[in-house]
Amino acid sequence: DSGVTQTPKHLITATGQRVTLRCSPRSGDLSVYWYQQSLDQGLQFLIQYYNGEERAKGNILERFSAQQFPDLHSELNLSSLELGDSALYFCASSSMRQGRQYGYTFGSGTRLTVV
Amino acid sequence: DQQVKQNSPSLRVQEGRISILNCDYTNSMFDYFLWYKKYPAEGPTFLISISSIKDKNEDGRFTVFLNKSAKHLSLHIVPSQPGDSAVYFCAASDNYGQNFVFGPGTRLSVLP
Repeated sequence: DSGVTQTPKHLITATGQRVTLRCSPRSGDLSVYWYQQSLDQGLQFLIQYYNGEERAKGNILERFSAQQFPDLHSELNLSSLELGDSALYFCASSSMRQGRQYGYTFGSGTRLTVV
Repeated sequence: DQQVKQNSPSLRVQEGRISILNCDYTNSMFDYFLWYKKYPAEGPTFLISISSIKDKNEDGRFTVFLNKSAKHLSLHIVPSQPGDSAVYFCAASDNYGQNFVFGPGTRLSVLP
């Protein structure tokens, strides 16, 4: 157990629908990152939050949004889903105390299947 | 354009031999590099890191080499074990670790 919790582990939904993925970071970590891994693709950075505020944005579609709540958990909202959104979505967390020496701690991911 | 490249999608190595995984980057501002290992149905886990002020970092069976002039790093696993079979991601950062850029990964298979 990495300490980063993602729910649900699996999600199957239809095109056009909206889903919410949830992430609880490791205790004490203020930064949360969301990554998408499509079939045979690398980890694509979507967005980063630090202590409730958006810190950096990557290749995140306008149909996607995220937020980090006061208790530091984060949610990634995916709307108007398309078949191509089927992927593994990973959440990761890190702390300033930890610095970048060990990079990020990843959760086990949510596998989203859009049918 | 990919800033971090892992040109070998897969690698097969015999148990006990050396595994060499390669990573190339294009951004000369990258100054910190990580390797992650990922098993199926799990998230990536940190393996080893190297700062641009070094050219080698060793941790047990794992050694990372950095060639800044060539913008190339490699991960050596000696000796390779079947449990090392996984996907290995190279990642690079240029902004005090605010954002790591990941390569596409190399799938290593260590054959018994």
